Amino acid sequence: QVQLQQSGPGLVKPSQTLSLTCAISGDSVSSNSAAWNWIRQSPSRGLEWLGRTYYRSKWYNDYAVSVKSRITINPDTSKNQFSLQLNSVTPEDTAVYYCARAPTGMVQDPFDYWGQGTLVTVSS
Amino acid sequence: SYVLTQPPSVSVAPGKTARITCGGNNIGSKSVHWYQQKPGQAPVLVIYYDSDRPSGIPERFSGSNSGNTATLTISRVEAGDEADYYCQVWDSSSDPPVVFGGGTKLTVL
Repeated sequence: QVQLQQSGPGLVKPSQTLSLTCAISGDSVSSNSAAWNWIRQSPSRGLEWLGRTYYRSKWYNDYAVSVKSRITINPDTSKNQFSLQLNSVTPEDTAVYYCARAPTGMVQDPFDYWGQGTLVTVSS
Repeated sequence: SYVLTQPPSVSVAPGKTARITCGGNNIGSKSVHWYQQKPGQAPVLVIYYDSDRPSGIPERFSGSNSGNTATLTISRVEAGDEADYYCQVWDSSSDPPVVFGGGTKLTVL
């Protein structure tokens, strides 16, 4: 059974960096089939996919254009986890952030396991 | 970019059948996934690739996809099915390419 456990602060000041971590159990961040995603949800924007990291003999990342200049998703193989960093945040980045697994590597994959979600509020 | 349109709300009596639609241009040519989300919880995958059910999801949940509409059908609705439901597709011409519908609130009367 795959489990994703999120951690990170729930309050970030404007212009600072949002940092969250997703610890994986029951699978490997270095899996040659799965992809590891960050998705956020807010009343104004709904569910919004932010990006993913995956390993296919080397590491790859894909990011949504809307956040591409500000986002980094990194794997940590020593801890079997991956992280999200979002720079220069504004109140518009206030949302519940989820990590999620796409299981088989196909671009049409569903997200079959999700983290518990972290409400991140951007406020001074 | 690709747009998925869901009705904001659907109401159904216990024991009846609920149908939640997801409209999109030629959505029948895409693979549609459905998620259930209860208040304060993460989404849960209930239907994937149009009509497949993950293990642990009751057979009461089924899906179909044709033309411009995908449909999630919940038979013999129970009070515990009350939740928000979201459809999702991958569209290579959109950014982001992962596209979610706006969600439908299912109310069990």
